[in-house]
Amino acid sequence: AQSVTQLGSHVSVSEGALVLLRCNYSSSVPPYLFWYVQYPNQGLQLLLKYTSAATLVKGINGFEAEFKKSETSFHLTKPSAHMSDAAEYFCAVTFSGGYNKLIFGAGTRLAVHP
Amino acid sequence: DAGITQSPRHKVTETGTPVTLRCHQTENHRYMYWYRQDPGHGLRLIHYSYGVKDTDKGEVSDGYSVSRSKTEDFLLTLESATSSQTSVYFCAISEYGTGGDSQPQHFGDGTRLSIL
Repeated sequence: AQSVTQLGSHVSVSEGALVLLRCNYSSSVPPYLFWYVQYPNQGLQLLLKYTSAATLVKGINGFEAEFKKSETSFHLTKPSAHMSDAAEYFCAVTFSGGYNKLIFGAGTRLAVHP
Repeated sequence: DAGITQSPRHKVTETGTPVTLRCHQTENHRYMYWYRQDPGHGLRLIHYSYGVKDTDKGEVSDGYSVSRSKTEDFLLTLESATSSQTSVYFCAISEYGTGGDSQPQHFGDGTRLSIL
């Protein structure tokens, strides 16, 4: 069975600092992995996706994530945080033939301080 | 943004009443999904549809039913609402993937449902 664990329900960084949001997955078959962002009172917006083409994936708003099979990880990073990055971030996993159904992590709320 | 409209956006109702939430898409995507979002749980799949009249249960389907009579509409019904169903409900859509690829889901703006 597939599952996703996001380490840290709350992360706080200073503006300009590195953002690192952690995601580990469990899957018995090759996974497809996604990061979504949710701003207050809005739906989820796709940040980036891993679908086996390349292990380092670049997304919108300067975010990127690296798929590491040996560590079963898909951590999200951004070199320099902006105030506008404050939001909740969700990691999700699916697999081929699964009707694109997603299994989500519990989410990490990112706060950015001036 | 993907053309997904959820209605109503907010609803307050009483325990024991039936409630229907509607998801309407203009993208002609094959797959549609209903999730609920609760603090500490992320999003959990309630039901999904893989075509007109083709639906299946998700992780938390008890107390919910769905219907899809045409491609663009996916309805979620709470037959007899309970306080534990107070939540934010999201509809999502996804294209059919070819070559074994997995297509991302695109989300509506959600329905905030309170059951008193």
